[in-house]
Amino acid sequence: NAGVTQTPKFQVLKTGQSMTLQCAQDMNHEYMSWYRQDPGMGLRLIHYSVGAGITDQGEVPNGYNVSRSTTEDFPLRLLSAAPSQTSVYFCASSYSRGGAGELFFGEGSRLTVL
Amino acid sequence: GENVEQHPSTLSVQEGDSAVIKCTYSDSASNYFPWYKQELGKRPQLIIDIRSNVGEKKDQRIAVTLNKTAKHFSLHITETQPEDSAVYFCAANATGYSTLTFGKGTMLLVSP
Repeated sequence: NAGVTQTPKFQVLKTGQSMTLQCAQDMNHEYMSWYRQDPGMGLRLIHYSVGAGITDQGEVPNGYNVSRSTTEDFPLRLLSAAPSQTSVYFCASSYSRGGAGELFFGEGSRLTVL
Repeated sequence: GENVEQHPSTLSVQEGDSAVIKCTYSDSASNYFPWYKQELGKRPQLIIDIRSNVGEKKDQRIAVTLNKTAKHFSLHITETQPEDSAVYFCAANATGYSTLTFGKGTMLLVSP
């Protein structure tokens, strides 16, 4: 099992550019989520999904879009990147509802917006 | 929504000492409280968790205690070792139990 796989690991964007962070899991988890990590701010939830076709907003959803067409994949889209979106992004999945069991994190994607 | 406060933000101890990290939460309906460890440049990983029907849980050198009345829970690490140096995050689930809210983290430094 690869677990949770995120790509790319590093990305530099210019303000206004768009991009997609990919996340895939091979554990057949229904629950998937995206967090961003900023110094001194902990892990903040961006969007989450409790199953294919179902997504919902977290604490900091503005500027990000998600979709969940399959159980395995949960991409995060930045439509028009801003310097405030410079961060480390973690995808996480769980075998239970996201607030009731272990979260399995990917290795993270470090994004810099110039 | 749920709000989780974590203290201290940094903690320095000597090898062999004990370390305690404390968290408070706001939602009285929360019933799941995990702790994650994140080593430098790595992903967060679950080290221990506790549910609201239990007051204390131990796993070798780490333990977690929960006081539901006061809405706080703590991580205790005994006989600390340099490899315990990392950032530790507490979390609590929010109403509906579909998401976790994390504290801001504690950087633990264990000096040999």
